[in-house]
Amino acid sequence: DAGVTQSPTHLIKTRGQQVTLRCSPISGHKSVSWYQQVLGQGPQFIFQYYEKEERGRGNFPDRFSARQFPNYSSELNVNALLLGDSALYLCASSLASTGFGTGNTIYFGEGSWLTVV
Amino acid sequence: GENVEQHPSTLSVQEGDSAVIKCTYSDSASNYFPWYKQELGKRPQLIIDIRSNVGEKKDQRIAVTLNKTAKHFSLHITETQPEDSAVYFCAAPSGGADGLTFGKGTHLIIQP
Repeated sequence: DAGVTQSPTHLIKTRGQQVTLRCSPISGHKSVSWYQQVLGQGPQFIFQYYEKEERGRGNFPDRFSARQFPNYSSELNVNALLLGDSALYLCASSLASTGFGTGNTIYFGEGSWLTVV
Repeated sequence: GENVEQHPSTLSVQEGDSAVIKCTYSDSASNYFPWYKQELGKRPQLIIDIRSNVGEKKDQRIAVTLNKTAKHFSLHITETQPEDSAVYFCAAPSGGADGLTFGKGTHLIIQP
């Protein structure tokens, strides 16, 4: 069984540019979440999508956006890149919504390493 | 929203000894507490989780305990081995449908 797959694995962008990161969840999983992990810190929640609807949003600016497609794959877009956006972007999938009280396990992909120069 | 505090930030133990990492959370309604292990340059991997209807869960050398009254949970690793060296993160559900809030991580170092 394939796990969570993400692309690209590494990329370098210039300040002000835009980036799109892609994620395919584990087969059968309908929920995809995105996390940002800055070096030396724990993952920080950005978005959660379940059944193609946004179910949660973390404390990130509007430059960050995402969507989920009918096949449950997802894209994360970041506009007007800043140096501080350099991080590992992790996609996680779960069977169902990981909302409060559900206790659904999330599984991370290998991540996309973004460097902004 | 949820606030998760994790201690210590670095833990060095002799191979074969036990290691304990502690986390506290703020929202008494939280009911699910996973632990992730992250090796250098790799993704976080779930190692064990506990739900609020039990106080302890074990999986071979790893155990997690939960004290709902005190709002803290701990990871216990016994008979530590070199491959246990990694950064460990605890987490708890954020409010609403907001995924998980992670602690800042504990760098576990196993000394030979």
